[in-house]
This record gives sequence, structure tokens and C-alpha cells, in this order.
Amino acid sequence: ETGVTQSPTHLIKTRGQQVTLRCSSQSGHNTVSWYQQALGQGPQFIFQYYREEENGRGNFPPRFSGLQFPNYSSELNVNALELDDSALYLCASSSWWASDTQYFGPGTRLTVL
Amino acid sequence: AQSVTQLDSHVSVSEGTPVLLRCNYSSSYSPSLFWYVQHPNKGLQLLLKYTSAATLVKGINGFEAEFKKSETSFHLTKPSAHMSDAAEYFCVVSEGAAGNKLTFGGGTRVLVKP
Repeated sequence: ETGVTQSPTHLIKTRGQQVTLRCSSQSGHNTVSWYQQALGQGPQFIFQYYREEENGRGNFPPRFSGLQFPNYSSELNVNALELDDSALYLCASSSWWASDTQYFGPGTRLTVL
Repeated sequence: AQSVTQLDSHVSVSEGTPVLLRCNYSSSYSPSLFWYVQHPNKGLQLLLKYTSAATLVKGINGFEAEFKKSETSFHLTKPSAHMSDAAEYFCVVSEGAAGNKLTFGGGTRVLVKP
């Protein structure tokens, strides 16, 4: 069984740039959720995708957007990067009928300079 | 709305002694509750999950947690700490099986002394 994978591992961008982070869900899972974890804090829910549609969103501005593909993999896009976007971005996958039981990938560390 | 409060930001224990991590929650629904562990520079690993089947939940690596509705608590324990238990632990709540959003506590960092 393949776990959740994320790419890239680390990324450095400058303010105003755009970034795309990628996630492959665990085999058998059709739902993907994204979280932002700032240094020293617990993860914060960004949004969830199911059947290629957004299914719930946390308190994040529209410049945070996502996609889910037919193979259930997902992308997180962030436009107009700000310094406060520096964080660990975590992807989690789950099955729809137990969407609260989420399995996390190793994360992408984004640094915005 | 749901929220989680982890009562200790840091816990220090000696190897071989018990570990207790405290968590209180608030939820408008019958919640699902979880504990996750995060080792340095790693993702989150699910330790255990409470739904409604049993109030005492056993997880991986010898951890267990007890759900107490009257106290709105979900404390995590382990009888004997190991050096490999040094990590950050998160108590998490969701609004049941159909819930999509996990709400995390602030985390408890566990230090294990030899």
C-alpha cells in the first residue's frame, strides 16, 4: 500500500510569486485535504477536495486554490505569495465514507523571502 | 463550532515513567477525536481514533486515550515512555465521520530524559 506523497520537499520563493504544491493520495482514498502548519503551531485546515470539487474551506483567502484530478491526486496553488505564507503544507487523504480519518504526507516546507 | 485545548505546551518525562498528555475539546456534534504524533521534520502519524464504540481507545506504540464526555476530555497516556516517544503530539477533533475539517490543538512537545 502506497502512502501519501508530496512534492517538492522544500521550496523557496519571493514575495508576489506563485507556487504549486502537489500531492498523491494513498491508494484506495478519493478525498484530499490540505493544511498549513506555521512554525510552532498546529495545522490549520485550508480546504478539502472530493470528486474534483472543493468540499469545505477554512479561513484562507481566495489566492489559495486547489485542484483534484481523476486519479485523486491534488494540487495546492498559492498566488501573490506573502511572507506569512512561509509554513509546512500538509496534504492528507481519506476515503469519502470516513473523511475524518485522514492520513498525512510528509509535507512541503515553503519559505517566502 | 469545534475547538481543542491542549493543557500543556511542554511535558518532560524520564524514560520508563508514565506519560500523560491532557486535552479538552468543544464540539456542537458527536465528535470524532484523534491523537496524532509529529516527529521533527516529519508529517503527522495517526496514533488513535475515538468514535463512539468504546471510551478507552488503544492506539499504536502502547498509547491509549480515554474519552470522558462529562469532562469533555480526551487525555493520552502511555505507561512507560521510550526515547523514541520524544515528539510533538496533537489532539484533534472533527464533526463525526462525515466531517471534513480537522481542528488541531496547539500541540504538546514531549521531552524524554534518559
